[in-house]
Amino acid sequence: NAGVTQTPKFRILKIGQSMTLQCTQDMNHNYMYWYRQDPGMGLKLIYYSVGAGITDKGEVPNGYNVSRSTTEDFPLRLELAAPSQTSVYFCASSYSGGATLETQYFGPGTRLLVL
Amino acid sequence: AQSVTQPDIHITVSEGASLELRCNYSYGATPYLFWYVQSPGQGLQLLLKYFSGDTLVQGIKGFEAEFKRSQSSFNLRKPSVHWSDAAEYFCAVGAAAGNKLTFGGGTRVLVKP
Repeated sequence: NAGVTQTPKFRILKIGQSMTLQCTQDMNHNYMYWYRQDPGMGLKLIYYSVGAGITDKGEVPNGYNVSRSTTEDFPLRLELAAPSQTSVYFCASSYSGGATLETQYFGPGTRLLVL
Repeated sequence: AQSVTQPDIHITVSEGASLELRCNYSYGATPYLFWYVQSPGQGLQLLLKYFSGDTLVQGIKGFEAEFKRSQSSFNLRKPSVHWSDAAEYFCAVGAAAGNKLTFGGGTRVLVKP
């Protein structure tokens, strides 16, 4: 199993450009998540999805969009890149929580620099 | 709202010495608690988790953590660190609804030879 894969590993964007961060998981997890990691701030949840066709906002959704057309893929879209979006982005996936909390499995991250 | 505080931003420890990382949480109900480790340039890997039962939890790589409800703490410990333990460590608290996690700011561990 590859687990959670993310592409690209690193990208430089100019202010106002757009891009899509790709995330794929092969564990048949129905829950998927996008986090951003800023130095000293831990990880903040951007968006999450509990299944194909269902997405919801996390703590810091402004400036981002997501879609979930398949179980495997959960792309994150930046429409108008801003310097404040310079960060490391992590995708994660898990089984559904139900009555308990399931472990989240993380991808290797995408480092984004907006200049 | 739930929150997690990791009071120590950096810790330096000598190889072979013991390590303790502090984590304090705020949560209205019985918490689900996690410790993750992030090696340089890598994603996060689960070290251990606490849901219920025995308050001393064993994890991978020789780590353990103790849940203390009265102190709202979930500190991570290792009796003897190895150079490969140099990494950033994150404590997280979770809500079953949506399976969402709230992370602390992390503690970076440096291991001296």
